[in-house]
Amino acid sequence: GAGVSQSPSNKVTEKGKDVELRCDPISGHTALYWYRQRLGQGLEFLIYFQGNSAPDKSGLPSDRFSAERTGESVSTLTIQRTQQEDSAVYLCASSLAGLAANEQYFGPGTRLTVT
Amino acid sequence: RKEVEQDPGPFNVPEGATVAFNCTYSNSASQSFFWYRQDCRKEPKLLMSVYSSGNEDGRFTAQLNRASQYISLLIRDSKLSDSATYLCVVNPSNTGKLIFGQGTTLQVKP
Repeated sequence: GAGVSQSPSNKVTEKGKDVELRCDPISGHTALYWYRQRLGQGLEFLIYFQGNSAPDKSGLPSDRFSAERTGESVSTLTIQRTQQEDSAVYLCASSLAGLAANEQYFGPGTRLTVT
Repeated sequence: RKEVEQDPGPFNVPEGATVAFNCTYSNSASQSFFWYRQDCRKEPKLLMSVYSSGNEDGRFTAQLNRASQYISLLIRDSKLSDSATYLCVVNPSNTGKLIFGQGTTLQVKP
């Protein structure tokens, strides 16, 4: 079946502009996660949605970052007033439920470059 | 101290070699543990979960030592296709939020 998809695959933007990144999780997966991976670094957790519960936003680095999810489907990550340090690959993952043992399936990521 | 620490490597080994990666985690209440594999410029993919009793999947063996907060991955009979970055991953609570180590790079040479 279809995996996690993300768009765009690449985004180049000027410093100060807003960007919106999209994630389509695997159908039926109730949990959705956003991570950021800077060049040569590990993944940093950003935000986690589980069903209709309030999202866990504990990883968002600043108030310029926000995310929404419509029901158990598409999610968008918005970065306002982008800065050069926001340049990274933004990865989305989904799982059947937000339980400890559930495997997370990752999308191919959006490579964001802020010039 | 980082929540999950790994030796970044790189580990350069010949085909057929046995190689071991180690990882330590800081939160003693961590619930579950994984090894993910990430190929260059690709997304991470689950390699195997790590169970308290240790577990094996073909050439791969994972061990967990809760007392020492230490996880290991052993790869036997290395193949060229094993070349990748191996990510140690910990779930510190009973949710899906995962904490990733920075990864250990393995390069298997012919």
